[in-house]
Amino acid sequence: EVQLVESGGGMVQPGGSLRLSCAASGFTFSSYSMNWVRQAPGKGLEWVSYISSSSSPIYYADSVKGRFTLSRDNAKNSLYLQMNSLRAEDTAVYYCARGQWLSPESSDSWGQGTLVTVSS
Amino acid sequence: DIVMTQSPDSLAVSLGERATINCKSSQRVLYRSTNKNYLTWYQQKPGQPPKLLIYWASTRDSGVPDRFSGSGSGTDFTLTISSLQAEDVAVYYCQQYYSTPWTFGQGTKVEIK
Repeated sequence: EVQLVESGGGMVQPGGSLRLSCAASGFTFSSYSMNWVRQAPGKGLEWVSYISSSSSPIYYADSVKGRFTLSRDNAKNSLYLQMNSLRAEDTAVYYCARGQWLSPESSDSWGQGTLVTVSS
Repeated sequence: DIVMTQSPDSLAVSLGERATINCKSSQRVLYRSTNKNYLTWYQQKPGQPPKLLIYWASTRDSGVPDRFSGSGSGTDFTLTISSLQAEDVAVYYCQQYYSTPWTFGQGTKVEIK
């Protein structure tokens, strides 16, 4: 069974940093691309970032480019999102999602999400 | 950025009836080299993460009931639930992945009439 478990969320002050992790199991992590998608409270979905199975290419939403860094460790079956210079508008549930095999930009398995709250 | 606009924002359909959700992109999302539309549909139930229903505009993901179908090409797309079931109450999102940033529609809430 595919499992994705996010961790690292919490409350942080504006300008602060957080590192989200996503632990993957139940599939060959190194063969799949991965996405982060976020959802502000009561709002819709927003794509954040994509990383291919080999870590190249990596794409970012304009709203996080230059502040967020996505990486992966295939040996540890883990995905990481380093978030710096956080803003109030980054407050959201952050979902880690696996890219669908044939259409990697689509996400066919999702974690339960981790809540990031940016507030003073 | 490609803007995705869904209509309606919400709809109420009787059990067993058809539900139709539209999604319009501000630019074509058809890749000519592959002849595929880079458009996906997700279902999100309250308190749950999204679930992939359809990719390439019309290909159902594994295990998705065949009452869900996707159609359209270019800039206009439709998700159809042929016979609405109680468990289909959810918010549905379209997303384009033709060009970054990959953008979602605002969502369509489906309820039982």
